[in-house]
Amino acid sequence: GAVVSQHPSWVICKSGTSVKIECRSLDFQATTMFWYRQFPKQSLMLMATSNEGSKATYEQGVEKDKFLINHASLTLSTLTVTSAHPEDSSFYICSARVPRAGEQFFGPGTRLTVL
Amino acid sequence: KQEVTQIPAALSVPEGENLVLNCSFTDSAIYNLQWFRQDPGKGLTSLLLIQSSQREQTSGRLNASLDKSSGRSTLYIAASQPGDSATYLCAVNSGGYQKVTFGIGTKLQVIP
Repeated sequence: GAVVSQHPSWVICKSGTSVKIECRSLDFQATTMFWYRQFPKQSLMLMATSNEGSKATYEQGVEKDKFLINHASLTLSTLTVTSAHPEDSSFYICSARVPRAGEQFFGPGTRLTVL
Repeated sequence: KQEVTQIPAALSVPEGENLVLNCSFTDSAIYNLQWFRQDPGKGLTSLLLIQSSQREQTSGRLNASLDKSSGRSTLYIAASQPGDSATYLCAVNSGGYQKVTFGIGTKLQVIP
């Protein structure tokens, strides 16, 4: 199947700093990528849909100014958590949708810990 | 709004048993349904994808069925092994923008 990578796999940062997470589709072009967040003992919740060359679509309750998404190419989407706070500590997972097939392939996730 | 429910929330079985995990969803107008496995602190491993036009998919000891009209899917695991211990997530792709909605998962423990 298609491969999606994420970098970094984990990051620890101080409160108030910004953190960038990269999501790459390695062997296919993805016009649409998705960002999810998973809190402990909860399921994955969709944060936003990232479309190449256009603005991201955010889910209700997700602050677009805090979670900046850029999808500058067909193989790369980035999520920047700005002015991170301890409550932003979570597991962030991206996925990329294979065109026409509808199947989403998921990255390995990024564990963010904000001190 | 699509809602996905998984039952049971947790399951503990002795090695070798066959078991069934259940997933139900509220909006039957789906594109596809996927079953994933998630190990603690790890990402997702895709197990099976069932398109809306399909009734079931099989991979090794795993068999997933889909009854779209009733909003149900089951994941059948044959001859369970300790290595099958993980959380199993059901994910439904639906809606005009093909969003994926996840269930909260079933935490499986297979006891040697």
